[in-house]
Amino acid sequence: EPEVTQTPSHQVTQMGQEVILRCVPISNHLYFYWYRQILGQKVEFLVSFYNNEISEKSEIFDDQFSVERPDGSNFTLKIRSTKLEDSAMYFCASSSTSYGYTFGSGTRLTVV
Amino acid sequence: QQPVQSPQAVILREGEDAVINCSSSKALYSVHWYRQKHGEAPVFLMILLKGGEQKGHEKISASFNEKKQQSSLYLTASQLSYSGTYFCGTEMDQAGTALIFGKGTTLSVSS
Repeated sequence: EPEVTQTPSHQVTQMGQEVILRCVPISNHLYFYWYRQILGQKVEFLVSFYNNEISEKSEIFDDQFSVERPDGSNFTLKIRSTKLEDSAMYFCASSSTSYGYTFGSGTRLTVV
Repeated sequence: QQPVQSPQAVILREGEDAVINCSSSKALYSVHWYRQKHGEAPVFLMILLKGGEQKGHEKISASFNEKKQQSSLYLTASQLSYSGTYFCGTEMDQAGTALIFGKGTTLSVSS
């Protein structure tokens, strides 16, 4: 069964540093998403990406965040100048039209 | 607009049934249901589309009341493997808009 692959599985970074989280969506999917989940809480939407551009973003997705699709397969989330409150599990997901999302196994980001 | 899920938590014995509800104050294009086990990613269970179409796993059933913008997930004859947190996600307006998830319902099934 096709999978969404995320790397790294765990990232520890110092406050103020930049991190890049990587995702390889399912190849024939058209829509890509980043969500985050602070421990024990709900899954929060960050940004969606379609046709090589951002289609929606939430209030959380401010100038500190950016997304790119640098080649035909990878989809990255960059967090600049990380803060303690950015510590969370970050999930990438992809979907085709009118079907469920396939989530990756996540990157646990710890900002110290 | 975040959907509202109820109840927050359910405790069951194996073989018992449960219903989890999800409601929205806005018109929806679709409702999705996911299950997340501790330390893992959410896993897709079912999608209910405006107009009545459903797609998902055979052993899970759900309903979508378009007039009330409410969906219910029915878990029958529960098994230990059903334990986890269930999230509904709502998609507004049209296909491809991002899902907004509710706060989740934690289901614990014991033997």
